[in-house]
Amino acid sequence: QITLKESGPTLVKPTQTLTLTCTFSGFSFSASGVAVAWIRQPPGKALEWLALIFWDGAQRYNPNLRNRLTIIKDASKDQVVLTMTDLDPVDTATYYCAHRIDTDDAFDIWGQGAVVAVSS
Amino acid sequence: SYELTQPLSLSVALGQTARIPCGGYNIGSKNVHWYQKKPGQAPVLVIYTQNNRPSGIPERFSGSNSGNTATLTIRGAQGGDEADYYCQVWDNSFWVFGGGTKLTVL
Repeated sequence: QITLKESGPTLVKPTQTLTLTCTFSGFSFSASGVAVAWIRQPPGKALEWLALIFWDGAQRYNPNLRNRLTIIKDASKDQVVLTMTDLDPVDTATYYCAHRIDTDDAFDIWGQGAVVAVSS
Repeated sequence: SYELTQPLSLSVALGQTARIPCGGYNIGSKNVHWYQKKPGQAPVLVIYTQNNRPSGIPERFSGSNSGNTATLTIRGAQGGDEADYYCQVWDNSFWVFGGGTKLTVL
């Protein structure tokens, strides 16, 4: 059974850096095809894909946020970490990590989400 | 960048069929996935790659895709189907979501 869980601060000040951790179980980055993504949803708005990392370390980023995001994996801890720099109140959102179906580009299992507010 | 267009809202009578469109240029050439999102809950994948249902998703949910429009169909709509629905595709190494459709079951 695959599970993912996000953790990180609930409140961040503008201009600060946000670091979110996704801890997962039920799969491993040692398997070819595995990938984990970060997706967010601001209040009242649509889902927005942020970044994704593959089993081999390859990274993909939303081109609109590319210069603010970094995604890395720690296979030994079964974790994926997302950092976002220079936070703004518009970055207030629920942040989800999700498992990508190995043979498709859909996200079949999602974490419960981490609510992050950006405010001074 | 690729864009997906969904109506902001749709309504369906209880027990009737809801059809939620997702528009995109030549979307018929892409694999389309659909998610159900309820307030306070994580999104749930309900259809992947046009018309495949993950385990646990009722047969009432189906998908189709042709030309410039993909469609999520929900037959025999129930109160529990009231939610936001998002389409999603992969395009040129990026993952793209539609703006979402709020489905109301009357």
